Amino acid sequence: SAVISQKPSRDICQRGTSLTIQCQVDSQVTMMFWYRQQPGQSLTLIATANQGSEATYESGFVIDKFPISRPNLTFSTLTVSNMSPEDSSIYLCSVPQGTYTEAFFGQGTRLTVV
Amino acid sequence: AQSVAQPEDQVNVAEGNPLTVKCTYSVSGNPYLFWYVQYPNRGLQFLLKYITGDNLVKGSYGFEAEFNKSQTSFHLKKPSALVSDSALYFCAVRDEYKLSFGAGTTVTVRA
Repeated sequence: SAVISQKPSRDICQRGTSLTIQCQVDSQVTMMFWYRQQPGQSLTLIATANQGSEATYESGFVIDKFPISRPNLTFSTLTVSNMSPEDSSIYLCSVPQGTYTEAFFGQGTRLTVV
Repeated sequence: AQSVAQPEDQVNVAEGNPLTVKCTYSVSGNPYLFWYVQYPNRGLQFLLKYITGDNLVKGSYGFEAEFNKSQTSFHLKKPSALVSDSALYFCAVRDEYKLSFGAGTTVTVRA
């Protein structure tokens, strides 16, 4: 199974600022996923990050708000831009296992916007 | 689109009693189904999966799940719950290249 390191583990940010979350995997993977878990809610996929191409965003999420980088096959970043209190959530990085069956998750980044 | 539903927001059981967390699915074709657990301030941990084969799937920490095609269900079970099983449990289904998650069920096991 892949080992996924996510930084920071938590942060408290002022509204209007931006936060970049890093995800490092110990093996090369084609696809990396970014999920959001709002307080008391389930996980929602934000986007899929593919190395060498633009990220693919799910309905309701846009690149200007959540820009993603994928410079190589083991690393990705998600930026939460121009934050508001509604962005307070846990953000999780995920990679598929094997032939895209189960997925493995990082520990998550708990973001609080004040 | 593929989807799963978890009809119970909360499940409360006494330690030592059987634990069941319910999940139903709606898919076209053969489902790829999963259970994950989330402990407080932790990421998601994979418990088990059903891809094909035996309808009773065994996973981590003594958990198992039964795939029932006629009832479109994939309930998570543990014969004897522990206080340390108290956590948030998610059922998920593979939807093309991604996972779609249920709303989650909070399990509380009382001593």
